[in-house]
Amino acid sequence: AQSVTQLGSHVSVSEGALVLLRCNYSSSVPPYLFWYVQYPNQGLQLLLKYTTGATLVKGINGFEAEFKKSETSFHLTKPSAHMSDAAEYFCAVSDRNSGNTPLVFGKGTRLSVIA
Amino acid sequence: DTAVSQTPKYLVTQMENDKSIKCEQNLGHDTMYWYKQDSKKFLKIMFSYNNKELIINETVPNRFSPKSPDKAHLNLHINSLELGDSAVYFCASGTAAYEQYFGPGTRLTVT
Repeated sequence: AQSVTQLGSHVSVSEGALVLLRCNYSSSVPPYLFWYVQYPNQGLQLLLKYTTGATLVKGINGFEAEFKKSETSFHLTKPSAHMSDAAEYFCAVSDRNSGNTPLVFGKGTRLSVIA
Repeated sequence: DTAVSQTPKYLVTQMENDKSIKCEQNLGHDTMYWYKQDSKKFLKIMFSYNNKELIINETVPNRFSPKSPDKAHLNLHINSLELGDSAVYFCASGTAAYEQYFGPGTRLTVT
């Protein structure tokens, strides 16, 4: 069964600093990979995804993530944090060998941005 | 032009009551899902429907019964509510590229 590990349940950065949120997956075949963001009392919004092709993917709001097969990782980064980035971030995977499979989520990382 | 909508947004009820949550998507997707987010924000799949047919039913108590009248709607009915059912329930719909679009969630509080 697939699983997702997000290192750090809470990450705090200063405004303007680099954001790095870590995600590792475990499955024998690299899955499809996603990052979602959840603002307080809201649903989940897709930030970016990796399915195939270029391993560095760019998403919305200046975020990007790099798929590294050798490290089974899909870390999320943003060069300069804004106050508006404060939210909960979820890494998720789905099985690329099965159609319409549900997402398996990590436990989430809460990002705080300090002025 | 909400892509995935859920009603109600908040639901407060007493134990042993029966309640329903409705979900509609206007994205034309064939697959819809229900996820549960617990108090620690952990998200877990409950059900998955493809073209009105149940395809995934995780270990969820049979007090939970999803119903899909057509492929744009997936409702969740919960019988005999328990304190442990308090959570946020998210509906989602999915594309062939596996990305999923989530509704705003329904916060259920059982007292």
